[in-house]
Amino acid sequence: DSGVTQTPKHLITATGQRVTLRCSPRSGDLSVYWYQQSLDQGLQFLIQYYNGEERAKGNILERFSAQQFPDLHSELNLSSLELGDSALYFCASSGTGSGYTFGSGTRLTVV
Amino acid sequence: ILNVEQSPQSLHVQEGDSTNFTCSFPSSNFYALHWYRWETAKSPEALFVMTLNGDEKKKGRISATLNTKEGYSYLYIKGSQPEDSATYLCAFKDSNSGYALNFGKGTSLLVTP
Repeated sequence: DSGVTQTPKHLITATGQRVTLRCSPRSGDLSVYWYQQSLDQGLQFLIQYYNGEERAKGNILERFSAQQFPDLHSELNLSSLELGDSALYFCASSGTGSGYTFGSGTRLTVV
Repeated sequence: ILNVEQSPQSLHVQEGDSTNFTCSFPSSNFYALHWYRWETAKSPEALFVMTLNGDEKKKGRISATLNTKEGYSYLYIKGSQPEDSATYLCAFKDSNSGYALNFGKGTSLLVTP
């Protein structure tokens, strides 16, 4: 167990639907990062939160949004889902100057 | 998006061989370079975090070097073992685009007995 908890592990949903992915960071880590891994792609950075505030944004689609709550857990909301959104979504957390600790990921399948 | 290139894309070696991989990244506005090990069906695990030009890090049989002026890092594995089979990712962070890591696509290593 890495200390970063992601739920659910698997999600199957239909096109046009909306889903929420949840992440609890490792204890003491203030930064949370969301990454997407699609087929044949590397880890693509989506968005970062630090202590409740958005810190950096990557190639996150307008249909996607995220937030970090006062207890530091984060949620990634994906709406109007398309087949191409099928991917493995990772959450990671970090402390100052340390490497990232990754969760086990959520595998999203859009049918 | 910052371009992080890793080579080779994949590598197949025999047990006991030593091997190395390359990571290339933009040489301007350097902040940090990370290496991760990603085993199939698991999550990436941090190996090294490197911040200074000339840094050398070592963990057991695995070591890494960093050249920020020319924009490359090498990862070395001495005496490869089957349990070293994994994808090795490097990730770059610059000082201009926030604090998030940009990952390369990785080098997939297979070590056979």
